[in-house]
Amino acid sequence: EPEVTQTPSHQVTQMGQEVILRCVPISNHLYFYWYRQILGQKVEFLVSFYNNEISEKSEIFDDQFSVERPDGSNFTLKIRSTKLEDSAMYFCASGLTGGTYEQYFGPGTRLTVT
Amino acid sequence: AQSVAQPEDQVNVAEGNPLTVKCTYSVSGNPYLFWYVQYPNRGLQFLLKYITGDNLVKGSYGFEAEFNKSQTSFHLKKPSALVSDSALYFCAVRDGGYSTLTFGKGTMLLVSP
Repeated sequence: EPEVTQTPSHQVTQMGQEVILRCVPISNHLYFYWYRQILGQKVEFLVSFYNNEISEKSEIFDDQFSVERPDGSNFTLKIRSTKLEDSAMYFCASGLTGGTYEQYFGPGTRLTVT
Repeated sequence: AQSVAQPEDQVNVAEGNPLTVKCTYSVSGNPYLFWYVQYPNRGLQFLLKYITGDNLVKGSYGFEAEFNKSQTSFHLKKPSALVSDSALYFCAVRDGGYSTLTFGKGTMLLVSP
């Protein structure tokens, strides 16, 4: 069964450093998403991406964040200058369509900012 | 703005007994409702969804959920719980016009042998 994969599984970085989180969505899916889950809190939407552009983003997704689909298979989330409060589990998801179709999630990348 | 409430942090049930995990929602348009399950160190796995039609929807692993428009609820149910059902369960809603999923805070289900 096809699945969403994410690398790395755990990333430790120092405050102010740039990080790139990588995802490989399910191959025939057209919609891509990033979510985050701060420890003990709910899963929060960050951004959705379709047709090579951002379709929706939340208030969390400020200028420090960017997304890219560089090569037709990978989908990346970049945090330019990490802060302590960026420490969280980051989930990538993909969906065949953006409407009624369910989203399939990857296993997540745990980001720890020290 | 859309929102989801899962009023129980934890639900405890004995194996073989029926289980219910509660979820209520708020959206301005037509609700698209989803249940996901998260096992330790794993991503969220899709269980089932309600888009339209029959209010009782069936999903993976014997789970089902009942959509109740008047009570704005979408409770997850299973007739006979298994120890392997123990996990964190998330209810999510999407306002029909948008792709953003809004999640509840999750409910830990513990099934004892």
